[in-house]
Amino acid sequence: DTGVSQDPRHKITKRGQNVTFRCDPISEHNRLYWYRQTLGQGPEFLTYFQNEAQLEKSRLLSDRFSAERPKGSFSTLEIQRTEQGDSAMYLCASSFSTGARETQYFGPGTRLLVL
Amino acid sequence: KQEVTQIPAALSVPEGENLVLNCSFTDSAIYNLQWFRQDPGKGLTSLLLIQSSQREQTSGRLNASLDKSSGRSTLYIAASQPGDSATYLCAVEPQGGSEKLVFGKGTKLTVNP
Repeated sequence: DTGVSQDPRHKITKRGQNVTFRCDPISEHNRLYWYRQTLGQGPEFLTYFQNEAQLEKSRLLSDRFSAERPKGSFSTLEIQRTEQGDSAMYLCASSFSTGARETQYFGPGTRLLVL
Repeated sequence: KQEVTQIPAALSVPEGENLVLNCSFTDSAIYNLQWFRQDPGKGLTSLLLIQSSQREQTSGRLNASLDKSSGRSTLYIAASQPGDSATYLCAVEPQGGSEKLVFGKGTKLTVNP
């Protein structure tokens, strides 16, 4: 088990372009989370999945953002028509839970810069 | 709305010193509290998780305490080392059906050799 992985690690794009990030959780983890972290701030929750079902979305997740976890394994986060304010570190985390609250394990993040 | 505050925002200490990082939260209805470490430009590493029914957790030179009723937690680091230099983040998981973590802004720790 190599932990949570994210790809790419860095992305530079021009305003208005679409970008997609991928997260591979720890094997057999049924929960997957996306967070966004801007400079000098703590991570802010965006959305989470239980298996393939998206169970909660933050108000931070505007209609330009979409997340999927089609087979309950890896997840993608797409940002359409990027804006400079989207520049941030996008963090993915996973956990295994059968009801009790368990530790969320975080990936290395994808750093997005929108020019 | 749950809010998490960490004091101080930055701390610089000489190697070998014992230190305490503080975390406070506004709503005591939580499932647990976690302390994370984040190195520059990197993801988060979980250090300690304290369930709401627990008072403290220990791992090596780290000890975290939780006073849920007063909305406070402390992270104690004994005999600090330069390798401890990082940003330390506190996060709570609120009760009420949501699975998300609510984070503070972190304390940036520098341990000088």
